[in-house]
Amino acid sequence: DTEVTQTPKHLVMGMTNKKSLKCEQHMGHRAMYWYKQKAKKPPELMFVYSYEKLSINESVPSRFSPECPNSSLLNLHLHALQPEDSALYLCASSAAGGRSYEQYFGPGTRLTVT
Amino acid sequence: GNSVTQMEGPVTLSEEAFLTINCTYTATGYPSLFWYVQYPGEGLQLLLKATKADDKGSNKGFEATYRKETTSFHLEKGSVQVSDSAVYFCALTPNSGGYQKVTFGTGTKLQVIP
Repeated sequence: DTEVTQTPKHLVMGMTNKKSLKCEQHMGHRAMYWYKQKAKKPPELMFVYSYEKLSINESVPSRFSPECPNSSLLNLHLHALQPEDSALYLCASSAAGGRSYEQYFGPGTRLTVT
Repeated sequence: GNSVTQMEGPVTLSEEAFLTINCTYTATGYPSLFWYVQYPGEGLQLLLKATKADDKGSNKGFEATYRKETTSFHLEKGSVQVSDSAVYFCALTPNSGGYQKVTFGTGTKLQVIP
């Protein structure tokens, strides 16, 4: 199984809402990632978890809060977002510790902030 | 720093035409190189990879050769199909231990017309 799943597929939220994005993989990968992708742009790294610990935060605003409850799950908690946060949010996973390890991406959550 | 440069798109081809998407990179040492593909409304999928000079990655009729002397990793396919219409991202990870951030190119949109 080489699948990364993400829910929900689409999300519309107001600027005062709190919502969460979920990601799951069952490939035994110990590195998991959140990316943000704007239209016609490459993905931008937000967070990296390695062995369930946050190892990289790319200076992401605190209104985005990641969580890794176990080795298969990754959440992104959203609060008080801005309209400019509207984007495709991609989760990915890979084996940990190696430079040549490819990342496996989920289908993404299309987020619209109104 | 590391960088990846891809040809501007969109690239429009007729079905069964030959495809080349140029990719050049800047990085120290011997990075690992990747091509990812993103179909409309989906996440990224790894298409192929190469981890050392002169390696050829191949998958689904696509090929790319790691050329250290020209710092290039051009994507080719002998006969494209309408189903190949997508955005293609060239990417690299640098040569050092531990987690290394993926550097993506800007992406090249391919449109294949019947």
